[in-house]
Amino acid sequence: EAGVAQSPRYKIIEKRQSVAFWCNPISGHATLYWYQQILGQGPKLLIQFQNNGVVDDSQLPKDRFSAERLKGVDSTLKIQPAKLEDSAVYLCASSRWSGVGRYNSPLHFGNGTRLTVT
Amino acid sequence: DAKTTQPTSMDCAEGRAANLPCNHSTISGNEYVYWYRQIHSQGPQYIIHGLKNNETNEMASLIITEDRKSSTLILPHATLRDTAVYYCIVRADSVNDYKLSFGAGTTVTVRA
Repeated sequence: EAGVAQSPRYKIIEKRQSVAFWCNPISGHATLYWYQQILGQGPKLLIQFQNNGVVDDSQLPKDRFSAERLKGVDSTLKIQPAKLEDSAVYLCASSRWSGVGRYNSPLHFGNGTRLTVT
Repeated sequence: DAKTTQPTSMDCAEGRAANLPCNHSTISGNEYVYWYRQIHSQGPQYIIHGLKNNETNEMASLIITEDRKSSTLILPHATLRDTAVYYCIVRADSVNDYKLSFGAGTTVTVRA
C-alpha cells in the first residue's frame, strides 16, 4: 500500500510569514495525526483527527497554528505568523480504525516537512 | 501515559543480536508497549507492539517481563541499516486516551 504522503519536503520562510503543509494519509485510515519534531527531540503530538473531527488539540498553539481535515481524508497544517522556534520537522501520521473498543492501531508516518524559519 | 526509561545510546556489532532495554514500571493494565525507530531524515517506523505476551515479526522480537514493568526489543541480526533512534512507548487502549507520545529514545549505532 502507498504510504503517508507529505509536501513540501522542505520549506524556508522568514519569521512572521505564513506556511502550510499538506498530508495525504494511507487510504482508508480514519485517524490522522500531526506531530512536531524539534532537532534532537522525539516527536510531539500537535493535533489528532478522527475522520474530520478533532480528538485532541491540547498541544496545538492555537494562536498561530491551525489544522483542518476536510472530507476526512487530506489534511493541512498552517502556521501564521511563524516564529523562529517553529523551526522543526512536521510529521503526519495515520492509522486505521480498529473498531469499537479498540484504539491502538499502529501509526504510519510520512517523512515530514522540514521547516526553517529565519 | 506511563513514562518509559531507555538508555541514551548503545552500540552493537553488525551481524550480532541487538538487545534494547526499556523500563515502564508504572504501566497500567490497558497499556501496550510499542516500539518505533527513526532513521535519519525519515519519519518514525513502526516495529512491533505487545500487551503481555512475547511478540515476533519479520523485523524484531519483543520480550515483556511477567510483571510488565520492563521489556526488551531484540533485533536478531543487526545490519548497518538498523542504525537509528529507537523509541519505546507505552500507549493506552482507551477511548479517552490512545495517543502515541514519544520520549527521547535510544540512539543505536551498528558498527561494522
